[in-house]
Amino acid sequence: GDSVTQMEGPVTLSEEAFLTINCTYTATGYPSLFWYVQYPGEGLQLLLKATKADDKGSNKGFEATYRKETTSFHLEKGSVQVSDSAVYFCALTHSSASKIIFGSGTRLSIRP
Amino acid sequence: DAGITQSPRHKVTETGTPVTLRCHQTENHRYMYWYRQDPGHGLRLIHYSYGVKDTDKGEVSDGYSVSRSKTEDFLLTLESATSSQTSVYFCAISAGGGNSPLHFGNGTRLTVT
Repeated sequence: GDSVTQMEGPVTLSEEAFLTINCTYTATGYPSLFWYVQYPGEGLQLLLKATKADDKGSNKGFEATYRKETTSFHLEKGSVQVSDSAVYFCALTHSSASKIIFGSGTRLSIRP
Repeated sequence: DAGITQSPRHKVTETGTPVTLRCHQTENHRYMYWYRQDPGHGLRLIHYSYGVKDTDKGEVSDGYSVSRSKTEDFLLTLESATSSQTSVYFCAISAGGGNSPLHFGNGTRLTVT
């Protein structure tokens, strides 16, 4: 079946550091890929998405490129801020499916 | 923000009692979901609905039932609460289709003593 694998956290970085959170997936066909972010005490929010190979999703300085050849959708940001501290979830779904498959989440902590 | 309200936000109950959590949406979205979030397990789907009175099981449905009598409301019932059901429960909605993202409520923290 379909699955999503994320790098384990927690990830701790200093402010202004470069961020990469790895995400790889296993799926048949051509799923859509998502990154969600969860701030403390809140539900998940959509951060960005990509719906076909080579698409790049971007939002709030974060980017991720849909790489079908490596089945990956790594999240990157050039310069992180303390306010980026949160849990990040990679996810996939198929156009014909009603369910979304989530990764286990990666906790990110940014030191001032 | 998508209009999703979960109630209650916090609840403490005793083992063996029934508990009902409510999710209310104002977006008229077709799909509604219940997830639970536990440390080390990420998000796990309990049940979902693809229309009024149309529901299906997720990966951790044992001990839970759902009902959707109106588009805007999706109820999750723990028939006889157990300590293993202590968790944070999230409702989510979607317009449907693979490209549609989920919009989440702020969660209900349930403690079963």
